[in-house]
Parts: sequence; structure tokens; C-alpha cells
Amino acid sequence: NAGVTQTPKFQVLKTGQSMTLQCAQDMNHNSMYWYRQDPGMGLRLIYYSASEGTTDKGEVPNGYNVSRLNKREFSLRLESAAPSQTSVYFCASSERLGGAGNTIYFGEGSWLTVV
Amino acid sequence: GQSLEQPSEVTAVEGAIVQINCTYQTSGFYGLSWYQQHDGGAPTFLSYNALDGLEETGRFSSFLSRSDSYGYLLLQELQMKDSASYFCAAPEGATNKLIFGTGTLLAVQP
Repeated sequence: NAGVTQTPKFQVLKTGQSMTLQCAQDMNHNSMYWYRQDPGMGLRLIYYSASEGTTDKGEVPNGYNVSRLNKREFSLRLESAAPSQTSVYFCASSERLGGAGNTIYFGEGSWLTVV
Repeated sequence: GQSLEQPSEVTAVEGAIVQINCTYQTSGFYGLSWYQQHDGGAPTFLSYNALDGLEETGRFSSFLSRSDSYGYLLLQELQMKDSASYFCAAPEGATNKLIFGTGTLLAVQP
């Protein structure tokens, strides 16, 4: 029962470097999300994909890009990493968009440090 | 904009009952969810309220009052393993994407 799998688990980047966080779900869900969580804070939505072929901005999209590669995979790219992007990143998926009685399943998180 | 406010920390003793509150401001209302997150772990779904009243799931219950824009999570017979952060969450208006509250850190003491 893999659920939502994201890689890498840990990554250290230098300022200005680029990297892609990978995410895949095996629950045949339509909607996928990327959240970031800073120490002692809640989860903030970066980007989401309501269904295959669509992506939309969330609360904090600046500095990020996403790709919904297919129904299973949703990647998050940092084109030029900045120290302010040091955070824990969570990928998530749900059967459909939103939370109206719709459970969201999260991956285990990716700890990213930008130095 | 949409916001969900929670107390930052709550402390309780093992075996006790604790209530974690959530007040919200949303454009439209499509239900209130609760998630649990242990330190270093992923958030996991606990409960959901679409209508006013109490929803019970074992030791955990969640309450909603739409007229007061208020909900709470009630944890009974507290155990040490309940020490975690708890988040309320609600869909954001017409876009219906899930927005999370600020989170409440629950510390259960022996």
C-alpha cells in the first residue's frame, strides 16, 4: 500500500540551483497537490492539479513550477532555489478537488534546505 | 480571503478530555475537516463535518456550528500517542481547494 510516494526525502541545495521534487500516487486519484510547511506553521498550498492536464496556483506559487505528467505523477520544480524556500514539502492527492467530504492523502514529506 | 484560526498550543494530562477550537472565515462553506500530524510525519485525516452537530469516531469527535463559523475537535481518554499537531481545514470558496488552519500543538503529559 504505497499511497503517495515522494522523492527525495532530504535535499540540500545551494542558492540558485534548481531541482525537481517527484510525486506519484497509486490510488487512481484525480486531484493532486503540493504544500509547504515551515517550522511551527500550517500547510500552505503551492500548486494543485484538479485533474490530469490541468494545474493552478495556490496560496504561495512564486518561485515554483509544476507538471502533471500523467494521472499518477505531479512534480514540483524550483528553478532557482532561495533560502526562503527552505521548508518541508508535502505532496498529496484526493479522489476529486477540494475537501467537501473528500479525504486528502499525504506523502511522507521532503525536507529541503537551501544554503 | 479565507482564514482558519486555532490556538497554537494546548496541554492536557493522560486520560483527560481536551477540546481544540477552530474559527473560520470562508467565502462559501463546504465543510470542515480535521487532520493529525505527528512530529516529522505526514498529516492524516481524522474527521469531517458538513452539517451542524457532532460527528463521533472512536475517542475523537468533531463539532460544527455554521452559524458561529466555529468548530472543534474533542479528544477523549487522552493517550501519550495523541501528542501531535492538529489542523482544521476547509475548501476555499469556488475553487474548492483545501486550505489549512494554523495548527494546534497538543502535548499530553503523564
